[in-house]
Amino acid sequence: AQSVTQLGSHVSVSEGALVLLRCNYSSSVPPYLFWYVQYPNQGLQLLLKYTSAATLVKGINGFEAEFKKSETSFHLTKPSAHMSDAAEYFCAVSLTGGFKTIFGAGTRLFVKA
Amino acid sequence: EPEVTQTPSHQVTQMGQEVILRCVPISNHLYFYWYRQILGQKVEFLVSFYNNEISEKSEIFDDQFSVERPDGSNFTLKIRSTKLEDSAMYFCASSERGTGSGANVLTFGAGSRLTVL
Repeated sequence: AQSVTQLGSHVSVSEGALVLLRCNYSSSVPPYLFWYVQYPNQGLQLLLKYTSAATLVKGINGFEAEFKKSETSFHLTKPSAHMSDAAEYFCAVSLTGGFKTIFGAGTRLFVKA
Repeated sequence: EPEVTQTPSHQVTQMGQEVILRCVPISNHLYFYWYRQILGQKVEFLVSFYNNEISEKSEIFDDQFSVERPDGSNFTLKIRSTKLEDSAMYFCASSERGTGSGANVLTFGAGSRLTVL
C-alpha cells in the first residue's frame, strides 16, 4: 500500500529565505505525486504534480519539487519565501487504476518578517 | 474559475443525530470524493464515487456513512448516528478523471466543520 511521510509538522523561515518542505513516499509501483496547499478557512489547492514526464516539476507561486526515485522523495522548495506563503502544505500520492489519493499529515509553514 | 461548494460550513449536532453534508462538485467532473480531517491530524480518504456508485472506500467508511448523488448536481455524505469521534472537517472533492487516465487532480471544497457534542 502507498503512504506519504512529511518530515516536520511545523517549519519556520524568514521572509526571503529558502523554503524546503520534505516528503517521502512509499509505493510498490510508480506513483503520481502531488503537493497541495491549504490557506486558512479554505480547501486544499493543487500546487504541483509529478506524472513521470519530468523529475523537476514547477508549480504555482514559484514552488517546485523534485522527484528522486532513489531516495523515494518529493521535497518542495521555493528559493525565496514570501509572507503570503504561510499556509499548510500537504504531500500526496495516488496510483494508476486507483480511486484514492493518500495525503501526508501536513506541514505548517510560518514566514517571519 | 469553477469551484466545489460545500454546505453547511459549520454544523453542531448532538451525539446520535443524523447529519447530511452537501456538496456541489464541478459540473463536468465525473469522480467525487469525501475526505475528513480531524483537528491536528492528517487528511483521510473516506470514499470515492463514480458512475453513481461507490468505487472505493476506506475502513473509516463503515455502515453509519452513506453517499448519494440525488439529482445530478449534489453529492451528499450522510452520517446516520453521529459519535463524538466524528467531529472533524469534512472535505468534498471532485476530479475530471480517475487515475487510470493520468494523474488524478482533485479540486476541493472549503470544507464543512462538524462538531458533535
